[in-house]
Amino acid sequence: DTEVTQTPKHLVMGMTNKKSLKCEQHMGHRAMYWYKQKAKKPPELMFVYSYEKLSINESVPSRFSPECPNSSLLNLHLHALQPEDSALYLCASSQGTLGYGYTFGSGTRLTVV
Amino acid sequence: DQQVKQNSPSLSVQEGRISILNCDYTNSMFDYFLWYKKYPAEGPTFLISISSIKDKNEDGRFTVFLNKSAKHLSLHIVPSQPGDSAVYFCAASPRRSGANSKLTFGKGITLSVRP
Repeated sequence: DTEVTQTPKHLVMGMTNKKSLKCEQHMGHRAMYWYKQKAKKPPELMFVYSYEKLSINESVPSRFSPECPNSSLLNLHLHALQPEDSALYLCASSQGTLGYGYTFGSGTRLTVV
Repeated sequence: DQQVKQNSPSLSVQEGRISILNCDYTNSMFDYFLWYKKYPAEGPTFLISISSIKDKNEDGRFTVFLNKSAKHLSLHIVPSQPGDSAVYFCAASPRRSGANSKLTFGKGITLSVRP
């Protein structure tokens, strides 16, 4: 298995809703990431988990809450989002070095209404 | 302040010809550089990387060149194929390697290969 699987592929939520994005990989990668990508912009790092511990938080608002239940799973809990949070949310994983790059999932297209 | 710059938003080349995609960076702490390809509705796919200790890395039709003094790298695709049509992102990472590495992406360039 050489994939990063993200669910759901599409999500529409209201500003008062609570939802979660899920990411799963079975490649034995010990680092997992959440990126956010707006239209015609580059992906921007949100969080990095290393060995199931949060190691980087790029000053992301608290309405985004990451969770790493185990080495294969990464969640992003969403609460009280704003319309400007609408974007493609990408999950990625990597081995210990960058020689192999990151493996990205196909993303969750989130629309906040 | 954009630390990784891809100044050309698009490039169109004829099938069989060479595609040259350019990328500039400003942060001298960047030590590792990567290229990703992205098709619509898919996540980015890793193509090729280069460490700052090298000036060239080749993998099949893809070659990345690094000019550290100019803080410039380029991706050469030869021969170009219609299936190469996609958005290409340049990305860079600081000296600290390993699982905590952070990638900074450029804005991307849309490559169109004409049959």
